[in-house]
Amino acid sequence: DTAVSQTPKYLVTQMGNDKSIKCEQNLGHDTMYWYKQDSKKFLKIMFSYNNKELIINETVPNRFSPKSPDKAHLNLHINSLELGDSAVYFCASSQAYRGPESLAFFGQGTRLTVV
Amino acid sequence: SQQGEEDPQALSIQEGENATMNCSYKTSINNLQWYRQNSGRGLVHLILIRSNEREKHSGRLRVTLDTSKKSSSLLITASRAADTASYFCATHRGDEKLTFGTGTRLTIIP
Repeated sequence: DTAVSQTPKYLVTQMGNDKSIKCEQNLGHDTMYWYKQDSKKFLKIMFSYNNKELIINETVPNRFSPKSPDKAHLNLHINSLELGDSAVYFCASSQAYRGPESLAFFGQGTRLTVV
Repeated sequence: SQQGEEDPQALSIQEGENATMNCSYKTSINNLQWYRQNSGRGLVHLILIRSNEREKHSGRLRVTLDTSKKSSSLLITASRAADTASYFCATHRGDEKLTFGTGTRLTIIP
């Protein structure tokens, strides 16, 4: 059983398009995250939700909008895609967002390529 | 802003040797976590060490934490080809954010 699963694994799309990446966790965790990993492998947090409530909203373009229909799902919608959005996007979850319970479980990543 | 910096950026060693990676950070932390990322895959957590702990072991892994120097090290003993991966430290300051370092790319030469 996959603990944190995200789809699709690969996404190639043209500039200007709108796309979504879905994430689901079956660990019963309260907290979910979206991270972006650039070409230099630098991993940066974008958003975090705890029990469907947004708790971290880093400085990302407002073209990126997370949606958490329930605490097991956190989807990422991106409007008007730009070349610079090309990266690997990781979903993750943890029991909680503080202390040792912040230990994160990651999905396999979605490699987004904007052409 | 980036919290952790791993050192070295890249490390190549012979199979069977020990590998040591270091992580330095800037602010006080609640805990520090080490993760491994195989090429093209997601991150997998290895060890979490709390700010009041100094050393922790898990199999062939040993993590140390020196809060006075704001640094941590990850030692992998008796390395294997399967240990080839990128290793990241991540710090948690007690707020809501886990901040990752720049990573060390470890290559084990068979």
